[in-house]
Amino acid sequence: DIVMTQSPDSLAVSLGERATINCKSSQSVLYSSNNQNYLAWYQQKPGQPPKLLIYWASTRESGVPDRFSGSGSGTDFTLTISSLQAEDVAVYYCQQYYSTHPLTFGGGTKVEIK
Amino acid sequence: EVQLGESGGGLVQPGGSLRLSCAASGFTISSNYMSWVRQAPGKGLEWVSIIYSGGTTYYADSVKGRFTISRDKSKNTLYLQMNSLRAEDTAVYYCARGQSGYTFFDNWGQGTLVTVSS
Repeated sequence: DIVMTQSPDSLAVSLGERATINCKSSQSVLYSSNNQNYLAWYQQKPGQPPKLLIYWASTRESGVPDRFSGSGSGTDFTLTISSLQAEDVAVYYCQQYYSTHPLTFGGGTKVEIK
Repeated sequence: EVQLGESGGGLVQPGGSLRLSCAASGFTISSNYMSWVRQAPGKGLEWVSIIYSGGTTYYADSVKGRFTISRDKSKNTLYLQMNSLRAEDTAVYYCARGQSGYTFFDNWGQGTLVTVSS
């Protein structure tokens, strides 16, 4: 199984400041035949289901604000919120889909306002 | 508009059974990869099962042999039959749609809570 490890577990950022979340996979999720990283990011607000933010490590889902960006390749990935807004308070999860059984998620990173 | 709506959750005793349903609208479930993902109270996301458009199914080791994923094309509904339930199966269960033949999820239901307790 591919183990996904997120860091930090939580972070507090001032409004308008940058938030950075890291995700590391236990093996590469870069598929050589298409040079794509099989890595997605989700946002989950309290009492709500997860919402897809980013897929292919850096492709923003339709309707997602451009302050959200994804980067990285192979085993190391980052989700960046360039200017934190109050509505971005949530838990963020990474997920690998390189190995589909099992699919695996990171443990989550809770983002709060400082 | 794509919508997913789970039902069937509730309180069940250890060893009991429950069947969850996920009614879909705005798309055809049999043309998509569909999954169940669960979230224990206060915990992270755990993938449970997937059914591919061709009908192939896979399960997490934690539920293999106890849970069965299926679909009814006529009702455009996804199911999760859960048998031999354990306390550790207590969670909110979400159904989710894989996007465009891949196994990341672009649409999720609101979830249904399953509580296994005596």
